[in-house]
Amino acid sequence: TQLLEQSPQFLSIQEGENLTVYCNSSSVFSSLQWYRQEPGEGPVLLVTVVTGGEVKKLKRLTFQFGDARKDSSLHITAAQTGDTGLYLCAGDGSARQLTFGSGTQLTVLP
Amino acid sequence: NAGVTQTPKFQVLKTGQSMTLQCAQDMNHEYMSWYRQDPGMGLRLIHYSVGAGITDQGEVPNGYNVSRSTTEDFPLRLLSAAPSQTSVYFCASSYSGAGNEQFFGPGTRLTVL
Repeated sequence: TQLLEQSPQFLSIQEGENLTVYCNSSSVFSSLQWYRQEPGEGPVLLVTVVTGGEVKKLKRLTFQFGDARKDSSLHITAAQTGDTGLYLCAGDGSARQLTFGSGTQLTVLP
Repeated sequence: NAGVTQTPKFQVLKTGQSMTLQCAQDMNHEYMSWYRQDPGMGLRLIHYSVGAGITDQGEVPNGYNVSRSTTEDFPLRLLSAAPSQTSVYFCASSYSGAGNEQFFGPGTRLTVL
């Protein structure tokens, strides 16, 4: 079983601060996806990273895939209250299955 | 397009009862999957299907059955509900596999007493 560990599990910051969420594994993934989930809803895809060392930017969000394709990070610049939510990483590994991390619950305070 | 729909939204069962969670998608996606989400544990894969007539087990398949008779529908059956199956269940679909964007339904919150 391929495991993805996310850290931190909980993060509470003030609006305007920067933050980084980490997603680590000992396994290699073909690609890695980041989702955001709002209460009472299903996760929604933010980005997919495919190439080792790849960096993708989505407005104030920056996603990086590790060179060895075993880890990834999500950096948010100048967080806003609208960024509040559960952030999930998910790896596409072997056996046609998507493995999810345990999630980071982010709360941005006004 | 309605996307991925799930019914019911909420359900309470007694231990030992059986039920079927419904999932349907109208995007002609080949890949469909069922996850359960428990606090602090992210989403865990129960069963998945790569196309009509093909299903396979995920990480936590025990106590659940699935079938895929059509491309659109992927029901999840609980054979004999147990309190350990209390969870939020999400159905997802994607164009062709785990590496593609997963579109999730709104979830079913199940409580087993």
